[in-house]
Amino acid sequence: NAGVTQTPKFQVLKTGQSMTLQCAQDMNHEYMSWYRQDPGMGLRLIHYSVGAGITDQGEVPNGYNVSRSTTEDFPLRLLSAAPSQTSVYFCASSPRVTNEKLFFGSGTQLSVL
Amino acid sequence: GQQLNQSPQSMFIQEGEDVSMNCTSSSIFNTWLWYKQEPGEGPVLLIALYKAGELTSNGRLTAQFGITRKDSFLNISASIPSDVGIYFCAGQETSYDKVIFGPGTSLSVIP
Repeated sequence: NAGVTQTPKFQVLKTGQSMTLQCAQDMNHEYMSWYRQDPGMGLRLIHYSVGAGITDQGEVPNGYNVSRSTTEDFPLRLLSAAPSQTSVYFCASSPRVTNEKLFFGSGTQLSVL
Repeated sequence: GQQLNQSPQSMFIQEGEDVSMNCTSSSIFNTWLWYKQEPGEGPVLLIALYKAGELTSNGRLTAQFGITRKDSFLNISASIPSDVGIYFCAGQETSYDKVIFGPGTSLSVIP
């Protein structure tokens, strides 16, 4: 059972480039979310989804887009990368409708030059 | 908005010592959670708390849901080297609400 799989593990972008961070889970979880982790700031919620076709904004959504066409996949798109988006990104899913029991992927380390 | 504070920010302890850390919120939480993150990995849920005053254990770890509902505490007894990592508190104001994370407490254990 793979759990939550994130790709790539590392990525370097130039300012203005676009890219998609992939996230897939094989646990049939309805709830999925994206967090970014910055030193001293914990994890901040970017976007989340309570099921296929439904997405909503978290605390820091600006500069990011998401879609949820299937239960399994929840990609995060950076439309025009900025240095302020340099961070470690985590995808998480939850088996519970109340979503408090989050299962995290191993993260994507993104650097924007 | 919601904000969580954790203390201490970091700890360096000797193997075998007990550890205490806490988390405070600017608002009342319905659910308190404690996660641990090891280097290069995503956080893993350690303990979930659902009721004010609740005390829950997971092996050598014990967490409590503060009676004011604005704080939570985590204790680790007889620390071992594999306890090293960042411990995050997290919470929800209501069920179904987004999970908010604290800034973390970094724990180092000296053998």
